[in-house]
Amino acid sequence: NAGVTQTPKFQVLKTGQSMTLQCAQDMNHEYMSWYRQDPGMGLRLIHYSVGAGITDQGEVPNGYNVSRSTTEDFPLRLLSAAPSQTSVYFCASSYSRGGTGTRGYTFGSGTRLTVV
Amino acid sequence: DAKTTQPPSMDCAEGRAANLPCNHSTISGNEYVYWYRQIHSQGPQYIIHGLKNNETNEMASLIITEDRKSSTLILPHATLRDTAVYYCIVSGTSYGKLTFGQGTILTVHP
Repeated sequence: NAGVTQTPKFQVLKTGQSMTLQCAQDMNHEYMSWYRQDPGMGLRLIHYSVGAGITDQGEVPNGYNVSRSTTEDFPLRLLSAAPSQTSVYFCASSYSRGGTGTRGYTFGSGTRLTVV
Repeated sequence: DAKTTQPPSMDCAEGRAANLPCNHSTISGNEYVYWYRQIHSQGPQYIIHGLKNNETNEMASLIITEDRKSSTLILPHATLRDTAVYYCIVSGTSYGKLTFGQGTILTVHP
């Protein structure tokens, strides 16, 4: 099924561990983004990419790295996990950069991360 | 991107129209109004967007005032499955920088 696939769905990390959250889309979308959502809050942008090889920081980038070696994949790396990074992480992709697209952003189902 | 203001919660009877307001008084000329919804911690779902004309698709209608300072999302025949948090977002062509506020919790009652 076409869409945005995130893995894993759930993860528990110990403080100081590192890990990579995977995001893949099969819609040939140029634009991809990572958001985090804390309990009772709206989503906040972490990093985004406008195409393979091009990434930039969003609102809350500290503690996270991204790379975009292919159009399909946009992994998010936690360098040294902290309890403050306990959150739900959503990946999103879009055909257009906004406005001209007809379907907006497609979001994945999320990765629920707990750092203890 | 311009800031939006939405009521924190609304109720609607099943089968009736749900009208969700959004104020965006500082919107600029090249910014679009987007609506997304999030059902029970799932990933947000795109609903509709518009610039200045009213828009309609299979999910909803979007009414934007002539001065573009406010808009209303209309779900014409709300069902229980429409219970969700609805986000009104104003964004230009800013590469995915969607700024999510607190949204409106819509509860559809039987």
